[in-house]
Amino acid sequence: AQSVTQLDSQVPVFEEAPVELRCNYSSSVSVYLFWYVQYPNQGLQLLLKYLSGSTLVESINGFEAEFNKSQTSFHLRKPSVHISDTAEYFCAVSDRSGQNFVFGPGTRLSVLP
Amino acid sequence: NAGVTQTPKFQVLKTGQSMTLQCAQDMNHNSMYWYRQDPGMGLRLIYYSASEGTTDKGEVPNGYNVSRLNKREFSLRLESAAPSQTSVYFCASSVQRNYGYTFGSGTRLTVV
Repeated sequence: AQSVTQLDSQVPVFEEAPVELRCNYSSSVSVYLFWYVQYPNQGLQLLLKYLSGSTLVESINGFEAEFNKSQTSFHLRKPSVHISDTAEYFCAVSDRSGQNFVFGPGTRLSVLP
Repeated sequence: NAGVTQTPKFQVLKTGQSMTLQCAQDMNHNSMYWYRQDPGMGLRLIYYSASEGTTDKGEVPNGYNVSRLNKREFSLRLESAAPSQTSVYFCASSVQRNYGYTFGSGTRLTVV
């Protein structure tokens, strides 16, 4: 079975500063990896995903994540954050069959003016 | 295109009352899910339906039942609500289990 660790429960950062939200996973098989974002009082939205191919994946709003198999990580980064990026971010991992799809506990990103 | 629609958005129940949470998706997805979200515990899978006509237990199924009414609809029933079931409930759907999920906007349930 898979497991996901998000090392930081809360990350405060000033507007226009860079940010990295960390995600590590554990699995004995090949995996798919996802980042979801949850804005206040809303459901989760898929931000980006790694299924295969290039290990660097990007979202339409400037976030990127890199799959590092040797370090079993899928950290989320953005070079310059906006107030509107304030949200909770969830990392998730699935085995290739989809039988084990696990969400991490979430990281609350607070962007300060 | 509505995506995943959940009703109701808010509900207050007394202990022992029953209710059904409704979920419908219009994306022709095969798989549907019910999660609960509690502070500090992330999302926990209650039940899922990999395809029409099948349902399976997730991580926390006790106290809940589900019905996959057709390909579009997947309902969650609480037969006898307990305060421990106070939570935010999310329905989600996907083309298949190892693809990204589309979530509804949630139902905030309080059991007093």
